Amino acid sequence: DTEVTQTPKHLVMGMTNKKSLKCEQHMGHRAMYWYKQKAKKPPELMFVYSYEKLSINESVPSRFSPECPNSSLLNLHLHALQPEDSALYLCASSQGLAGGTGELFFGEGSRLTVL
Amino acid sequence: GNSVTQMEGPVTLSEEAFLTINCTYTATGYPSLFWYVQYPGEGLQLLLKATKADDKGSNKGFEATYRKETTSFHLEKGSVQVSDSAVYFCALRGYNKLIFGAGTRLAVHP
Repeated sequence: DTEVTQTPKHLVMGMTNKKSLKCEQHMGHRAMYWYKQKAKKPPELMFVYSYEKLSINESVPSRFSPECPNSSLLNLHLHALQPEDSALYLCASSQGLAGGTGELFFGEGSRLTVL
Repeated sequence: GNSVTQMEGPVTLSEEAFLTINCTYTATGYPSLFWYVQYPGEGLQLLLKATKADDKGSNKGFEATYRKETTSFHLEKGSVQVSDSAVYFCALRGYNKLIFGAGTRLAVHP
């Protein structure tokens, strides 16, 4: 099973709403990632978790709050977002930060629209 | 620092044409290199990888060779199909993340 599952696939929210994106993997990977992708651009790294601890925050605004409840799950809590936050949010996992052959496995993404 | 440079697209080809998408990199050491593909409305899928110099990655008729001397990892396919229409990203593995190129959009028409 080489699958990363993200829910929901589509989300529309207002600027005052609170919502969450969810990600799950069952490959035994110890590193999990959130990326943001705008149209016609490459993915941009937001957060990295390693062994359930936040390892990297790429200076992401506090209206995005990640959470890693266990080694298989990764959440991204959203609050008071702006229209410019509308994007495709991609979750990924890998064996570790530096181990193995290093590839990341990506989910299908959650397409977020902020009104 | 580490970086990846890809040829700009879009690349438009007829079915059964030969494809080359150029990718060069700047890195300390010899990082793993990857090609990812993103079909419309989907996430990224790993297409192929190479972990050391002179390695050739291949999958679904696509190939790329890790060239240390030219710091390149060009993607090739001998005969493209309409179903290959997608955005292709070259990437290298830094210590804690993937570093992506800008992406190259490929459009194949019948």
